Amino acid sequence: GEDVEQSLFLSVREGDSSVINCTYTDSSSTYLYWYKQEPGAGLQLLTYIFSNMDMKQDQRLTVLLNKKDKHLSLRIADTQTGDSAIYFCAESNMRFGAGTRLTVKP
Amino acid sequence: SQTIHQWPATLVQPVGSPLSLECTVEGTSNPNLYWYRQAAGRGLQLLFYSVGIGQISSEVPQNLSASRPQDRQFILSSKKLLLSDSGFYLCAWSVSGGRNIQYFGAGTRLSVL
Repeated sequence: GEDVEQSLFLSVREGDSSVINCTYTDSSSTYLYWYKQEPGAGLQLLTYIFSNMDMKQDQRLTVLLNKKDKHLSLRIADTQTGDSAIYFCAESNMRFGAGTRLTVKP
Repeated sequence: SQTIHQWPATLVQPVGSPLSLECTVEGTSNPNLYWYRQAAGRGLQLLFYSVGIGQISSEVPQNLSASRPQDRQFILSSKKLLLSDSGFYLCAWSVSGGRNIQYFGAGTRLSVL
């Protein structure tokens, strides 16, 4: 089947940059999204990018989109302990990746 | 402002018992509504979505059903729960015809024993 793929785990030190990668499948997806899930809670939209863009920056967050390779990434600059969570990428067709658990060590 | 309510937060049910999870949205009209399941260590699986009252699309065959009796009410049901129905159930809504940004409820942790 067609899956949105993400690595399951990422561990970084506080203050470092985090890069979470995603490979998606639907080349017609109008938007691509990053959601954040804190323990025991629902998902919250973190950011999204329109498919005709290749980069979007929002404070500490940078989203890069490579449509040719169907690759999406989320970079978090100056990662803080409060950034520890599970990060999901998603397509417009409501297909989500399995989520990347980001652990930030002090 | 819009809010989404989902209850109960946790539920422990025996195998073979019925299930009813409720989700309501406030502050918007004619939303798209969704039910997802998040199994332990796995991603989100879309179970049902609805674009209007009485309109339900099922994404995967399963032991569950959904209903939308009112514009902003979405219910997930089962007549007889299976062990494999255990998981974290999330309700979400999005603006009809918009950018499909989804707004999630706090989730229901269901344990079937």
